[in-house]
Amino acid sequence: QSVLTQPPSVSGAPGQRVTISCTGSSFNIGADYDVHWYQQLPGAAPRILIYGNNNRPSGVPDRFSASKSGTSASLAITGLQAGDEAEYYCQSYDSRLSGSRVFGGGTKVTVL
Amino acid sequence: QVQLQESGPGLAKPSGTLSLTCAVSGGSISSNSNWWGWVRQPPEKGLEWVGEIQHSGSTNYNPSLMSRVSMSVDKSKNQFSLRLTSVTAADTAVYYCARGVGWGSRTYYLLWGKGTPVTVSS
Repeated sequence: QSVLTQPPSVSGAPGQRVTISCTGSSFNIGADYDVHWYQQLPGAAPRILIYGNNNRPSGVPDRFSASKSGTSASLAITGLQAGDEAEYYCQSYDSRLSGSRVFGGGTKVTVL
Repeated sequence: QVQLQESGPGLAKPSGTLSLTCAVSGGSISSNSNWWGWVRQPPEKGLEWVGEIQHSGSTNYNPSLMSRVSMSVDKSKNQFSLRLTSVTAADTAVYYCARGVGWGSRTYYLLWGKGTPVTVSS
């Protein structure tokens, strides 16, 4: 059971917009700790997609965006492409038990 | 640019110790504001944060693993290491090393190694 809850899967047709939610609690996202998002393509290591709630590293297309509100965060992918088919993870900080980094359970994005 | 490469035995025996090393190339492990971390991924499952260390030796560990995990830094070799004791089949996973940037709770993992699979089996 992950500290951050994500839907197991989302899907969409090419060109569509999909969103992935990441729900936490008052000990992590709700405590205003930053949320980061990672993309893991099949057979590859994760790579940073969004950091600090809504910042894209260089090289990440602006089709990817994120937001945070209350105890939740979300990642949006617009203009969905076949190459976006991957697992997506949110990550934050949790203040319980001396504090630690925590990941969501991951969401599989399928392009129909 | 900075690159990370994990190495270590791909097999560990139950109740034994898992030891992995991450070599840092293209940059210094002594760079300030960096956390050097380990994240693992059991087969067909999600990411689990194991812990992290700074060049000063400061560490943060996953509370669920704290009694069994330790990390160290070897500045002379520009590498950092993970040691996990009393392993069981539940520790079977791909282990990634990663470079964390940012301060305190804001840290995120900017750079990742390719990962190394470790199986716990007799």
